[in-house]
Amino acid sequence: EPEVTQTPSHQVTQMGQEVILRCVPISNHLYFYWYRQILGQKVEFLVSFYNNEISEKSEIFDDQFSVERPDGSNFTLKIRSTKLEDSAMYFCASSEVVSSIGTQYFGPGTRLLVL
Amino acid sequence: QQQVKQSPQSLIVQKGGIPIINCAYENTAFDYFPWYQQFPGKGPALLIAIRPDVSEKKEGRFTISFNKSAKQFSLHIMDSQPGDSATYFCAAKDTGRRALTFGSGTRLQVQP
Repeated sequence: EPEVTQTPSHQVTQMGQEVILRCVPISNHLYFYWYRQILGQKVEFLVSFYNNEISEKSEIFDDQFSVERPDGSNFTLKIRSTKLEDSAMYFCASSEVVSSIGTQYFGPGTRLLVL
Repeated sequence: QQQVKQSPQSLIVQKGGIPIINCAYENTAFDYFPWYQQFPGKGPALLIAIRPDVSEKKEGRFTISFNKSAKQFSLHIMDSQPGDSATYFCAAKDTGRRALTFGSGTRLQVQP
């Protein structure tokens, strides 16, 4: 069964450093998402991306965040200058275009620790 | 307005029991209500979903009950098994949008 993959599984960085989290969505999906889950808390929506542009973003997704589809398979989340409070599990998800009801399939996540 | 309130925070049942997890919302524009199951170290996986024009949906041992007037929905797990031990999240989606708003999660433990 096709699945969303994410790399790395864990990343440790120093406060102020830039990090790039990578995702390979399911191949025939065209809608992509990033969510985050701070330890012990609920999953929170960050951004959705379609047709090479952001379609929705939350208030969490401020200027320090950016997303990109650099090629036909990868989808990335960049955090420009990490803060301690960016420590979380970051999940990538993808869905088919057909309907806004389409199931979002989540990857296994990247655990980011900012020191 | 965008919140989804989930309870209980944790739940312990014996094998064969029927755990019930409840969620409530305020936003009447929500048009899709999925439940996700998450095992430790894994991403959330869709379990079952319902739209507000249906009062109940059953898939295998999992049932969603939906009360539109009360703005509440719940997940029932029939004949629960130790393998069902996981964290369960309810979620909701606003009309015309794709962002999912998640509840706070329920950690379920099914004892053998």
